[in-house]
Amino acid sequence: GAVVSQHPSWVICKSGTSVKIECRSLDFQATTMFWYRQFPKQSLMLMATSNEGSKATYEQGVEKDKFLINHASLTLSTLTVTSAHPEDSSFYICSARGPHRGSYNEQFFGPGTRLTVL
Amino acid sequence: ILNVEQSPQSLHVQEGDSTNFTCSFPSSNFYALHWYRWETAKSPEALFVMTLNGDEKKKGRISATLNTKEGYSYLYIKGSQPEDSATYLCAFSTSGTYKYIFGTGTRLKVLA
Repeated sequence: GAVVSQHPSWVICKSGTSVKIECRSLDFQATTMFWYRQFPKQSLMLMATSNEGSKATYEQGVEKDKFLINHASLTLSTLTVTSAHPEDSSFYICSARGPHRGSYNEQFFGPGTRLTVL
Repeated sequence: ILNVEQSPQSLHVQEGDSTNFTCSFPSSNFYALHWYRWETAKSPEALFVMTLNGDEKKKGRISATLNTKEGYSYLYIKGSQPEDSATYLCAFSTSGTYKYIFGTGTRLKVLA
């Protein structure tokens, strides 16, 4: 139980294009989803928190107009990297928490997406 | 800025050896400490959620302890097996927020 999928697992795109990453909770309703980014040799860093049906809350230093987050249903959140540039190349991973899964703020993670911008 | 540190960054052990890693976190506003096991190309797998000072939890050959007063948690693996090879992450969360602050992880390689 508590499975989270993420697609695509990797993507290569040209500079200036936009890329959409999907995060789905497969067997539970995710009231809150989180998006993280990891650069080489660094820890997972929270980018934003999204609650179903409301606007995402972005962490300091994360551009909300560049990283568009939509959490339109209780099982799906999307992250769109708009006008991607090489410095956006990173590993992006989502997680989800639900009212009836886990305890003490437990989050369930997708497998991540490796984005490479040429 | 809240900081979580894990040590060592990586280690290699022989099959059958026991090993342990450390996660250090801020001792104030503690709510929970989470341990995850993360294999390449897979989702991080939750191992333990630790909340009380002095907590000890066990799952098979893996166990963890928690000291919230001094701000550290240990993860132990007894009789390491090649399938234990993974990155072990800890994440700290404070009271009043759902957010995690992650350490950089300990990368374990168990040699057959």
